[in-house]
Amino acid sequence: SQKIEQNSEALNIQEGKTATLTCNYTNYSPAYLQWYRQDPGRGPVFLLLIRENEKEKRKERLKVTFDTTLKQSLFHITASQPADSATYLCALPNFGNEKLTFGTGTRLTIIP
Amino acid sequence: GAVVSQHPSRVICKSGTSVKIECRSLDFQATTMFWYRQFPKQSLMLMATSNEGSKATYEQGVEKDKFLINHASLTLSTLTVTSAHPEDSSFYICSARDLEDIYGYTFGSGTRLTVV
Repeated sequence: SQKIEQNSEALNIQEGKTATLTCNYTNYSPAYLQWYRQDPGRGPVFLLLIRENEKEKRKERLKVTFDTTLKQSLFHITASQPADSATYLCALPNFGNEKLTFGTGTRLTIIP
Repeated sequence: GAVVSQHPSRVICKSGTSVKIECRSLDFQATTMFWYRQFPKQSLMLMATSNEGSKATYEQGVEKDKFLINHASLTLSTLTVTSAHPEDSSFYICSARDLEDIYGYTFGSGTRLTVV
């Protein structure tokens, strides 16, 4: 089965800087990869989806890259704000079915 | 956008009792709903996949007789934790997949279950 690792359990970034989070997977390359935000005591909220044939996807201050050779996705938040503080999860679909497997998550804290 | 309503948000129950959690897709139809469990500082772990009108598919290690799932309509799935024990205390989250958007997974706000 797919093993998904997000390299930092916790990450502290100064306000205004760019936060970069990493998601690595070990087995097959999925057709797409998703990033979610989760606040304490809440369910995940979908942020971005990137397909295997896309190198980069942007949405406002968010940018996601997908490198199927490295088996890695990077998630960037530019001009970070304290309100961006949350746990960020990457998720991949299982091969051949519609189940999602989640990464371990990175707890991001933006320091004012 | 798609909205999934999950109730209750918090529940405390006595050991040995059963608890039902509801998950509704409010503005879309979902043939498939997923139930996850999340322990503190851990990621979401899939418990089961429920399809409307058929039996749920459980992940390895999840007791189907303990976690009863019913998906009676295209907008409602329920998870019943039967004979709950303190080790069942966790954060339970449902997700629904939109029929018309194969990439769309919308999550409920979660249910914090505490068994005392």
